[in-house]
Amino acid sequence: DAKTTQPPSMDCAEGRAANLPCNHSTISGNEYVYWYRQIHSQGPQYIIHGLKNNETNEMASLIITEDRKSSTLILPHATLRDTAVYYCIVRDNYGQNFVFGPGTRLSVLP
Amino acid sequence: GAGVSQTPSNKVTEKGKYVELRCDPISGHTALYWYRQSLGQGPEFLIYFQGTGAADDSGLPNDRFFAVRPEGSVSTLKIQRTERGDSAMYLCASQRQKNTEAFFGQGTRLTVV
Repeated sequence: DAKTTQPPSMDCAEGRAANLPCNHSTISGNEYVYWYRQIHSQGPQYIIHGLKNNETNEMASLIITEDRKSSTLILPHATLRDTAVYYCIVRDNYGQNFVFGPGTRLSVLP
Repeated sequence: GAGVSQTPSNKVTEKGKYVELRCDPISGHTALYWYRQSLGQGPEFLIYFQGTGAADDSGLPNDRFFAVRPEGSVSTLKIQRTERGDSAMYLCASQRQKNTEAFFGQGTRLTVV
């Protein structure tokens, strides 16, 4: 079973920041938070991952709370092409597989 | 560089037939995963290879499903006596080493009629 809880759907206006929450209250000390997204009929696309520090790359920012029980993926300026299902995954780095939940369906509206 | 390549992109087969799905991982990636995804659901883990060996095959639903990776690169997922319930998107992912992100291919959509 997935170790994360995400809202099933969210809307965001084009050009605004999209903030996608994820709860992972049972995360353990050696587990990372990964985010992937899946645009219709394509394979999942890696976005970002982190352990405890906030992370930023060209796609998004990842904010992890100090107690690591929740995190937020931020798309700073959402475009229509960001419409997708976003998956938050908790995983250790010792060969554990990636367990996908149902994710959050983000709709970016014009 | 080239990403994970899966062939064929679409496969239609008759119930009871045998199928093989191929995955070409990113060059140099030691880990390889197979997932299955039904419509409206997240990907479901099937099997994980580290090198040539299956490190975790706990997700294979039954003994009709088998996967190999004989040289530690290309992998083939084999399904015997296909059933209509096997219809799904089959996804492959590769990973450079254990503590890095995995990259997915575009999948093979299998339809059993």
